[in-house]
Amino acid sequence: DGGITQSPKYLFRKEGQNVTLSCEQNLNHDAMYWYRQDPGQGLRLIYYSQIVNDFQKGDIAEGYSVSREKKESFPLTVTSAQKNPTAFYLCASSTRTDEQFFGPGTRLTVL
Amino acid sequence: AQSVTQLDSQVPVFEEAPVELRCNYSSSVSVYLFWYVQYPNQGLQLLLKYLSGSTLVKGINGFEAEFNKSQTSFHLRKPSVHISDTAEYFCAVSEPQGAQKLVFGQGTRLTINP
Repeated sequence: DGGITQSPKYLFRKEGQNVTLSCEQNLNHDAMYWYRQDPGQGLRLIYYSQIVNDFQKGDIAEGYSVSREKKESFPLTVTSAQKNPTAFYLCASSTRTDEQFFGPGTRLTVL
Repeated sequence: AQSVTQLDSQVPVFEEAPVELRCNYSSSVSVYLFWYVQYPNQGLQLLLKYLSGSTLVKGINGFEAEFNKSQTSFHLRKPSVHISDTAEYFCAVSEPQGAQKLVFGQGTRLTINP
């Protein structure tokens, strides 16, 4: 089955730690995205990548980093510089001209 | 810059009643429009999309939406809802050119009561 997988489903982090969220797609999509979802605020774009080895900041990139070494993978690192990282993180992918397909999400909680 | 406003944060309706979820957008260029549904603790699933052509768009699960350029609206409708439609609904907009970044509204929580 084609789709997007995210792991882990739940993640707990101590303050001061960096954590990496995984996102993999087998849809052969060029573009991939990371969104953060907080209650009552919809989804906000963190980073996006239109092609391998290239990515751009979204609206709320501070405290996050990404890489795009393979077409299928777009991991997100939440660094200790992110002051309020507790949220639901969603990864998506798309062709250049159509809808975005979303993964099941990772819920990150800071202890 | 683009923005999306979903006018109702919560909409309660009775089962088998009709429902309309409102969405207005602002953009200085032409747009693509989308409605997504999110069930608790899950990702987003596309309900329908408007890219071009007919302004009345039909989607999955009996939903439809109408693009109104003059009113910059893209309201979602269903003539008869079911308990299973209880979820959060997001309207989103993107530009046809460029990176296909989506700008989302804040979401509308639809609650269906028996």
